[in-house]
Amino acid sequence: DVKVTQSSRYLVKRTGEKVFLECVQDMDHENMFWYRQDPGLGLRLIYFSYDVKMKEKGDIPEGYSVSREKKERFSLILESASTNQTSMYLCASSFTTGGGLGYTFGSGTRLTVV
Amino acid sequence: KQEVTQIPAALSVPEGENLVLNCSFTDSAIYNLQWFRQDPGKGLTSLLLIQSSQREQTSGRLNASLDKSSGRSTLYIAASQPGDSATYLCAQGQSGAGSYQLTFGKGTKLSVIP
Repeated sequence: DVKVTQSSRYLVKRTGEKVFLECVQDMDHENMFWYRQDPGLGLRLIYFSYDVKMKEKGDIPEGYSVSREKKERFSLILESASTNQTSMYLCASSFTTGGGLGYTFGSGTRLTVV
Repeated sequence: KQEVTQIPAALSVPEGENLVLNCSFTDSAIYNLQWFRQDPGKGLTSLLLIQSSQREQTSGRLNASLDKSSGRSTLYIAASQPGDSATYLCAQGQSGAGSYQLTFGKGTKLSVIP
């Protein structure tokens, strides 16, 4: 069964900490995405990557950075966590043209910044 | 910029009823359309994906249709069950310049009452 795995389901971090959210896919997908989801705001794209070492800003990149050193792994980095980054974070992956699967999502990471 | 709208935001139906969830999109150059289910606190699970050349897709009690000319998609759920209670999201896919991206609606929260 194809999978997108997010390393943590729940995280609690302190304001100012550097936070790493990890995402790994086993489907040989070229594209990987990071979203955050907040009540009433829906899914908002933070960053995406269409190839190793490539990254593109999404709609809300401020306060975040990403790393993609290997095709299967896409990391989201909160350089200095703030309380307004408390949210559900979702990772997804896809083939370059979507293929027959479209997006496959991980199970999400609920991050609380205190 | 593409927009995807789902109305209503919430829907409550008695068990056993057949129901239709609506999704509208603004870009007629749609590549594909994907329907997802999201349970509380969880990631998104793909239900159906319709390519732009298709009119509908079926999986079990679910049937999704696509009408590009009117910019609409519907998800039909037959004989609803309490286990169908979840938030359903639709997303319009675009492909080009070596990348593939989905634009998401904010979802319809479905409650099936026993």
